[in-house]
Amino acid sequence: DQQVKQNSPSLSVQEGRISILNCDYTNSMFDYFLWYKKYPAEGPTFLISISSIKDKNEDGRFTVFLNKSAKHLSLHIVPSQPGDSAVYFCAASDWAVWGGADGLTFGKGTHLIIQP
Amino acid sequence: DSGVTQTPKHLITATGQRVTLRCSPRSGDLSVYWYQQSLDQGLQFLIQYYNGEERAKGNILERFSAQQFPDLHSELNLSSLELGDSALYFCASSVRDRDNSPLHFGNGTRLTVT
Repeated sequence: DQQVKQNSPSLSVQEGRISILNCDYTNSMFDYFLWYKKYPAEGPTFLISISSIKDKNEDGRFTVFLNKSAKHLSLHIVPSQPGDSAVYFCAASDWAVWGGADGLTFGKGTHLIIQP
Repeated sequence: DSGVTQTPKHLITATGQRVTLRCSPRSGDLSVYWYQQSLDQGLQFLIQYYNGEERAKGNILERFSAQQFPDLHSELNLSSLELGDSALYFCASSVRDRDNSPLHFGNGTRLTVT
């Protein structure tokens, strides 16, 4: 049973436009959410995170939105650039509030392709 | 460069064999996490160590074991290998024990079981 779901395996966006990557979760105990970016032949790198007490966090071109009632988060990239082409993983944890005993739970990833 | 070093980068072995994957965490990081990424799958959490002690266990098979040594490097041992164990194995490290500080990942070890 997948607790973190990224339902779009791939997404193609034109350079300069907005990229929106979506993530849904089922475990209501998750209290912290992260996005990681992965290039081929490299490990994932941390991009941005959000605590469950917030509904938005912004860092430069990247903004993460959290809708707790819908158990949904999204990553917005504006404007999209060619270097943003990568696989993006959504991840969640239940450590902060619940002191959970698991590792970070990851989705399967969305392959973002930025077209020139 | 994340500062996390994994060796070897590639490993090809036969079914039934045993292999050891090695991870050196980022300088100053006390936690080490192991993840498995199979084809078309997300990263599956296997096990976490903090300062030498096992702290969390995920979907790790009984044929797999790990440990973290006093110098904080970690090894993941995979035995009685099966074709289905072919995957990318990632190690990640963080400063503390599951406090939501970002995990820093190595570049992974690609294991192929033939």
